[in-house]
Amino acid sequence: QSALTQPASVSGSPGQSITISCTGTSSDVGRYEFVSWYQQQPGKAPQLMIYEVSDRPSGVSSRFSGSKSGNTASLTISGLQAEDEADYYCASYSSTPTLVVFGGGTKVTVL
Amino acid sequence: QVQLGQPGADIKKPGSSVKVSCKASGGTFSTFALSWLRQAPGQGLEWLGGIIPFYNTPSYAQKVQGRLTITADELTSTAYMELSSLRSDDTAVYYCASNSGTYRGPVSYSTFDYWGQGTLVTVSS
Repeated sequence: QSALTQPASVSGSPGQSITISCTGTSSDVGRYEFVSWYQQQPGKAPQLMIYEVSDRPSGVSSRFSGSKSGNTASLTISGLQAEDEADYYCASYSSTPTLVVFGGGTKVTVL
Repeated sequence: QVQLGQPGADIKKPGSSVKVSCKASGGTFSTFALSWLRQAPGQGLEWLGGIIPFYNTPSYAQKVQGRLTITADELTSTAYMELSSLRSDDTAVYYCASNSGTYRGPVSYSTFDYWGQGTLVTVSS
């Protein structure tokens, strides 16, 4: 059972926008601005898409954006494309003895 | 550009130990927040622990505390993780990952901008 809660799956049609939620507690997501998001294609290592809630690394499409409200962080993918089909994971710094906690992952399907 | 190189795979018997290496090239190894994570088959990501080579003081997830040892060799820019008392549920792909940005304390462990390709560790009798 993961510390952060994500929906198991989200789907959308090409061109649409989708949002993936990541719900934690006041010990992690709600307390720190250190939430990050990762995209993982099958058989590959994860790739950083968003860090510190809403910052985008160079090279990541501006179609990806992040936000946070209370104990819930969100990743929005706008203008959905076939290449966005992948698993997405959120992570947060935590005040618990385990310094970093993850969500269980969300499978994004492009219809 | 930072690159993290890991071996491809290893097979171990239950009760034994496994040691996985992660060789870094590019960037300043001594100031990386270098973490080890794993992903069991069909499952999500799990942070196991990390180390800042300059300070050489590792941090461990509660779940593997006592079984996991993380070390770093600045001379060879290589980090290691050794997991002991292996069980079948330790079967997973083990990744090293780094935050190559300016070190800002333990929070630096929460962002992973470079990843190794992963090492599949299979625990089976």
